[in-house]
Amino acid sequence: AQTVTQSQPEMSVQEAETVTLSCTYDTSESNYYLFWYKQPPSRQMILVIRQEAYKQQNATENRFSVNFQKAAKSFSLKISDSQLGDTAMYFCAFMTFNQFYFGTGTSLTVIP
Amino acid sequence: DVKVTQSSRYLVKRTGEKVFLECVQDMDHENMFWYRQDPGLGLRLIYFSYDVKMKEKGDIPEGYSVSREKKERFSLILESASTNQTSMYLCASSWISASSGNTIYFGEGSWLTVV
Repeated sequence: AQTVTQSQPEMSVQEAETVTLSCTYDTSESNYYLFWYKQPPSRQMILVIRQEAYKQQNATENRFSVNFQKAAKSFSLKISDSQLGDTAMYFCAFMTFNQFYFGTGTSLTVIP
Repeated sequence: DVKVTQSSRYLVKRTGEKVFLECVQDMDHENMFWYRQDPGLGLRLIYFSYDVKMKEKGDIPEGYSVSREKKERFSLILESASTNQTSMYLCASSWISASSGNTIYFGEGSWLTVV
């Protein structure tokens, strides 16, 4: 069975600072994808960043980057230069064989 | 841009009513999903469909059914709504092809309150 664990239900960060959200997963599959999704208060879930498991290089999208540790089954999200618009629920997700598995989410608040 | 549209954002229904939640996607995606989102529980899969008229149970299918008569449309049906089905319902879709990156796209969600 595939599981995704986000151990931080809530986090906060000062505007312009850096924050890291943690995610671990469990799978016996070798071919899979990992994602971070953001759900702001408006509720539209949007893709933040995606990582293919076969790629060793960590994915980066502007201020968002991941630390992918395949052996440890860890996939953390780093947000640099945090902005007020980053306030949202963040979900870590794992995909294999067209099935998606989500963590329980981390609620991030950016403090002015 | 991919668009997944859920027809109703906010609904209030009475216990025992039959409820239809409609979802349409405009990107010719093979896969469509219905999730339920509750605080502290994250997203839980109710049903998914990988083709027209095909459906598979997810983790919490009890009390729900689905219909996919056309590729772009995936409906969630609550045959007899109960108060414990008060929740946010998210529809999503994705391609099957691995070359597409396998990203899942979500609708805006439907808030259902059963009284």
